[in-house]
Amino acid sequence: AQSVSQHNHHVILSEAASLELGCNYSYGGTVNLFWYVQYPGQHLQLLLKYFSGDPLVKGIKGFEAEFIKSKFSFNLRKPSVQWSDTAEYFCAVNAGSARQLTFGSGTQLTVLP
Amino acid sequence: DTGVSQDPRHKITKRGQNVTFRCDPISEHNRLYWYRQTLGQGPEFLTYFQNEAQLEKSRLLSDRFSAERPKGSFSTLEIQRTEQGDSAMYLCASSSGQPAGALHFGNGTRLTVT
Repeated sequence: AQSVSQHNHHVILSEAASLELGCNYSYGGTVNLFWYVQYPGQHLQLLLKYFSGDPLVKGIKGFEAEFIKSKFSFNLRKPSVQWSDTAEYFCAVNAGSARQLTFGSGTQLTVLP
Repeated sequence: DTGVSQDPRHKITKRGQNVTFRCDPISEHNRLYWYRQTLGQGPEFLTYFQNEAQLEKSRLLSDRFSAERPKGSFSTLEIQRTEQGDSAMYLCASSSGQPAGALHFGNGTRLTVT
């Protein structure tokens, strides 16, 4: 069965710092990969997705993620975070013929002004 | 795009009672999902509909849980004989296109079983 690991449970950064959130999945075949974000009091929203092609994927609000197949990783990055990026970030995978997404446990990002 | 709507937002019930939640997906989406999320965890898949057909159910979905999507539009999730362990946020999501493409989530129904 597919699984997703997010190793950082809580990350605290100052504004303008660079961000990298780790995501590793376990599945040897074809995968679709996603990052979702949940701002305080709001619903989960899609940040970016990877289906195929260029392994460097750009999403909304300056976020990007890189798919490294050999490392089973899909880390999320942003060069300079803002206070408004404070949220919980979830990595998710859809593997093989599965119809559903499997989510990681999430990383709470707090950006200090 | 009016978004995915869930009702109620909060439900407090006593152990042993039955509860029912409703989800109205985005109107043109034929795929509908239910997930459950507990504190400190990511959403866990419960069940999936394509139109009115329930195509997949997680092993997490015990026989006390039942979901329907009678006309391929809104969906209901019923929990019978609730237990304290059922306390969680129940999320509904919808999508079109790929089987697990970009999911559009609702705000969820928070269930508290006392």
